[in-house]
Amino acid sequence: NAGVTQTPKFRVLKTGQSMTLLCAQDMNHEYMYWYRQDPGMGLRLIHYSVGEGTTAKGEVPDGYNVSRLKKQNFLLGLESAAPSQTSVYFCASSHPPERNSPLHFGNGTRLTVT
Amino acid sequence: KNQVEQSPQSLIILEGKNCTLQCNYTVSPFSNLRWYKQDTGRGPVSLTIMTFSENTKSNGRYTATLDADTKQSSLHITASQLSDSASYICVVSASYKLSFGAGTTVTVRA
Repeated sequence: NAGVTQTPKFRVLKTGQSMTLLCAQDMNHEYMYWYRQDPGMGLRLIHYSVGEGTTAKGEVPDGYNVSRLKKQNFLLGLESAAPSQTSVYFCASSHPPERNSPLHFGNGTRLTVT
Repeated sequence: KNQVEQSPQSLIILEGKNCTLQCNYTVSPFSNLRWYKQDTGRGPVSLTIMTFSENTKSNGRYTATLDADTKQSSLHITASQLSDSASYICVVSASYKLSFGAGTTVTVRA
């Protein structure tokens, strides 16, 4: 039972390059989330999904796209990377929030954009 | 705007000592309050989830309190261990939308 797995763990991009961050969960959770964590700030929600085939914008969605083609996978894409997107990205999953169940996080992807 | 403020920003304690972390929030309407532990280089891990009707909840040496009237919560660590060195994040849910505090970094020294 791996929980939430993120790949890659580290990545360096040049401005303008694109990439996709992968997230997989094996807990049969309906909800999945992408957050970014920056020094001195709380985690901020980028996009989320309430089920297979659905996505929604979070607090800071600009410059990112997501897809949830399968229930267990949630992909985060950067179309044209900018230095402001240098951050640590966390994927999380959970049961529906009204069940008051915790978020389960992956161990993050550290992205540097030069 | 929903906000979650944590204090102190960081603290250093000696192994075996106790410490208390604070969380104040302006989030409404309140759904629940969560504490997470985040080790360096890892994702956050849930410690407790408290609903409106709960004012104390324990998880081993971690005890969380909630005062929904004053919108304050605390996390008490008893008999600290080196493995308690981490960032502790307070998360408040308003209509199930989560607001994250910036965290308190705890360093436990031998």
